[in-house]
Amino acid sequence: QKEVEQDPGPLSVPEGAIVSLNCTYSNSAFQYFMWYRQYSRKGPELLMYTYSSGNKEDGRFTAQVDKSSKYISLFIRDSQPSDSATYLCASNTGGFKTIFGAGTRLFVKA
Amino acid sequence: DVKVTQSSRYLVKRTGEKVFLECVQDMDHENMFWYRQDPGLGLRLIYFSYDVKMKEKGDIPEGYSVSREKKERFSLILESASTNQTSMYLCASSFRTAHNEQFFGPGTRLTVL
Repeated sequence: QKEVEQDPGPLSVPEGAIVSLNCTYSNSAFQYFMWYRQYSRKGPELLMYTYSSGNKEDGRFTAQVDKSSKYISLFIRDSQPSDSATYLCASNTGGFKTIFGAGTRLFVKA
Repeated sequence: DVKVTQSSRYLVKRTGEKVFLECVQDMDHENMFWYRQDPGLGLRLIYFSYDVKMKEKGDIPEGYSVSREKKERFSLILESASTNQTSMYLCASSFRTAHNEQFFGPGTRLTVL
C-alpha cells in the first residue's frame, strides 16, 4: 500500500465549477500536508500547506485535513481554464522525506 | 525570483553510458533533492543532501549516485544507464527546516535506448 494514495483522474469540469481533489494517507506520523500544482512540462510548485488538522484558505483554494480519517482535500472555487494542471498531494512527518501522491490531472473547460 | 535550474530539458542516452544530471539553485538552500517522476507512481526520492558533501539515500537509490561539492550544486549520476531509468528527473531544494516547501526545477526527461 502506498503511503499517500491519489486518484489519477483525469477530472474534467466546466469553467466556474467547484473542484474537489482528494487523497488518503496511511502514516499517522504525518504532520505537514501539502498541495503542489504542476503544469505540463514544468516542475511542481507549492500551492499551499496545512500543519496537522484543519482548514486553510487562500483565495479560491481551500485545503482540508482530517487526521481522524487520514483524508486530505483541496477545493477550488470558480475554477478557471488556467487551473488545468496536475495536482499532487504530499505529506511529511517533519523530516527530510516528503511522500507524494501520484497526482490528479484536472482539465477546466472554457 | 527564486530559481532551480537543471542542465538539460531533454536527454537521450544509450544503455551502459554514464549520465550526469546537474542542478543549481540560487536561493542559498541547505537541502537539495533528486526525484524521478513516473506515470502512476508520482515522485519518488532518489537521494537528498542537507549540506555540502553530505548525502543520504532516498527510497530508490539503486543505480544512482550523487555529488554535492558546492552548496548551490547537486549532481545526479547514473553510473551505467539502463532502459528502466528512462524517466522525468526533478531536482528540488529547500531551507534546512522548511520540510513543507520544496522548490523544483523544470525537470530533465531522460530516455535511455
